[in-house]
Amino acid sequence: KAGVTQTPRYLIKTRGQQVTLSCSPISGHRSVSWYQQTPGQGLQFLFEYFSETQRNKGNFPGRFSGRQFSNSRSEMNVSTLELGDSALYLCASSLQGPENEQFFGPGTRLTVL
Amino acid sequence: QQQVKQSPQSLIVQKGGISIINCAYENTAFDYFPWYQQFPGKGPALLIAIRPDVSEKKEGRFTISFNKSAKQFSLHIMDSQPGDSATYFCAAKDGQNFVFGPGTRLSVLP
Repeated sequence: KAGVTQTPRYLIKTRGQQVTLSCSPISGHRSVSWYQQTPGQGLQFLFEYFSETQRNKGNFPGRFSGRQFSNSRSEMNVSTLELGDSALYLCASSLQGPENEQFFGPGTRLTVL
Repeated sequence: QQQVKQSPQSLIVQKGGISIINCAYENTAFDYFPWYQQFPGKGPALLIAIRPDVSEKKEGRFTISFNKSAKQFSLHIMDSQPGDSATYFCAAKDGQNFVFGPGTRLSVLP
């Protein structure tokens, strides 16, 4: 069974640009959650999607958005990038939601210059 | 209110010893408390989880102790091995949010 895949693995952008990250969950998993990991703030929950609907949302500005497709694949978009958005962005999938075991992908390392 | 505090920040243990990591929270709405293990270059992996109606849960060498009245929970790793060297995160979830502790970097010396 293939694990959670995230693309791209590394990304370099400049301030003001926008970026789209992609996550393919484990087959059969309907819930996809996104997290931001930084040395200073640790792991922070961004949002969770289930059946193409955003079900939960963390405390991030509206520049961070996402969507989920009918095949459960999910994308996360960050607009008007700031230096502070440099982080490892992790996606996790689970059968029904984070209370089921979440399987994390390897992450996308975003660097904003 | 949403924070989960975790200590220590780093921990060095001899092989065969017991590693203990502690977490504390304030939000009484939290109803699910997992621990994650993360190796460098990898995403976190669920280690063990507990709900507040249980005071202890054991899976192999890993045990969670939960004290609902004190709003504290801890991870005990028995017979620690060099392969356990990783960063450990406690977390807590209520209906709306998933909150992680800042992490503990564990080093198990051979």
